[in-house]
Amino acid sequence: EVQLLESGGSLLQPGESLRLSCAASGFALRTSAMSWVRQGPGKGLEWVSSIGVSGVKLYYADSVKGRFTISRDISKNTLYLQMNSLRAEDTAVYYCAKSGGGDCWPYQCGMDVWGQGTTVTVSS
Amino acid sequence: QSALTQPPSASGSPGQSVAISCTGTSSDVGGYNYVSWYQQHPGKAPKLMIYEVNKRPSGVPDRFSASKSGNTASLTVSGLQAEDEADYFCSSYAGINNFVVFGGGTKLTVL
Repeated sequence: EVQLLESGGSLLQPGESLRLSCAASGFALRTSAMSWVRQGPGKGLEWVSSIGVSGVKLYYADSVKGRFTISRDISKNTLYLQMNSLRAEDTAVYYCAKSGGGDCWPYQCGMDVWGQGTTVTVSS
Repeated sequence: QSALTQPPSASGSPGQSVAISCTGTSSDVGGYNYVSWYQQHPGKAPKLMIYEVNKRPSGVPDRFSASKSGNTASLTVSGLQAEDEADYFCSSYAGINNFVVFGGGTKLTVL
C-alpha cells in the first residue's frame, strides 16, 4: 500500500527553523514528483513546494521562496521541508503529497496520495 | 486571498445534482487544461477527485464529473449522497512562476 507519513511539526517562535520529514512507503520517491501543501487554521489549501522526479527541478510558492527548501533522501525514501525564518503566517498543517502517474507534475496528474499532515505553529 | 474563486458554500438534497464553480484567469484556469479537484472531509487529508479538467482517478465514482469553459471550471456531483458532504477545492497550473494555485474551497452540504 502506498503511504506517506509526515513528522516534525512543532510549536516555535518567529524566526526559528524547523525541518519536516515525510516517509514514503509502497513506492520509490525517485519515481514520483512530490509536493508540500499547507492548510492554515480554518483556511484553504496552499501549495508550498514541489520537487521533480530527477530531484533537480525545485519549485516554491512566493510566500516561502528563499526561506524554505525542499529535498529528498532516496536511500531513506524520505522527503523533507527545511523551514527557516518562520513567521506567524506559516502556522498550518503541512501535508506531503505524491503526484499521480509517475513522472508527472502535481498540476498534470493531480496529487493522488497524501499524508495525514503535521502541525506547525509559530507564535511568540 | 486565494488565486481561484469558489463559492463558499453549496447544497443539495440526496439524489440531486450540484455544481461547484472555480473561476480563475487566462493565466491559470483559462490558459491550461490542468485543473484538479480535491475533496476534504473534516480532519482528513484531501483526496484527488479529478485531474486534467475531467479525468477521474480509479476508484472515484462516476457521479463526479467536471468541465471547463474559458476561465471557469466546474465540478458536478450527481446523485448526491450523505458521504459527499465535504469541502471541495479546485486547483490549476498557473505557469512556471506560480506553479500550482488553489481555490478557497466550497463547503458542500447534503440537506
